[in-house]
Amino acid sequence: AQTVTQSQPEMSVQEAETVTLSCTYDTSESNYYLFWYKQPPSRQMILVIRQEAYKQQNATENRFSVNFQKAAKSFSLKISDSQLGDTAMYFCAFPSRATSGTYKYIFGTGTRLKVLA
Amino acid sequence: DAMVIQNPRYQVTQFGKPVTLSCSQTLNHNVMYWYQQKSSQAPKLLFHYYDKDFNNEADTPDNFQSRRPNTSFCFLDIRSPGLGDAAMYLCATSRPSSGGNNEQFFGPGTRLTVL
Repeated sequence: AQTVTQSQPEMSVQEAETVTLSCTYDTSESNYYLFWYKQPPSRQMILVIRQEAYKQQNATENRFSVNFQKAAKSFSLKISDSQLGDTAMYFCAFPSRATSGTYKYIFGTGTRLKVLA
Repeated sequence: DAMVIQNPRYQVTQFGKPVTLSCSQTLNHNVMYWYQQKSSQAPKLLFHYYDKDFNNEADTPDNFQSRRPNTSFCFLDIRSPGLGDAAMYLCATSRPSSGGNNEQFFGPGTRLTVL
């Protein structure tokens, strides 16, 4: 069975600093996608970044980048130049194929990130 | 803007009194999901629709039902809410995914309080 593990329940970082959130997963599939979602306080969850397992190049979206280590089944999120608006819960998600023919997410337990002024 | 809308944002009900939460979308996505999220926890999938095809999770209590009358709307019915059902309920949509590449678009959630 696929599993997703986030081992850091809470983290804090000073504004303008860099922080890395970790995520490990387990799957027997060879090609798949991985996602990081952000859930700000009292606001809706939004996609931060996605990575395809077949792509060796790590995905980057502005200040957000991933360190994807396929052999180690590790998918960490690096936030550079942290801003106060980055304060949120961050969830790592792995799409698992559903019997309906589409996909459903397996979420990690989340990391609560607080950016300090 | 295309979006996922949930009404109401806050719902208070009494123990055992049926309640319905609604979700609508302007994205025209085939797949709609209902999640339950308790404080500081990951969202827990209750069920999803692929078009009109209803897919229940094995551990979703019978107390939770859903309806999808058309592509745009989906409802979550809690037949007899218990104190343990107090949570944030999230609706999400996506296009069908052949390889798991499609993101889910989430609504703002409905916070349910059970008295």
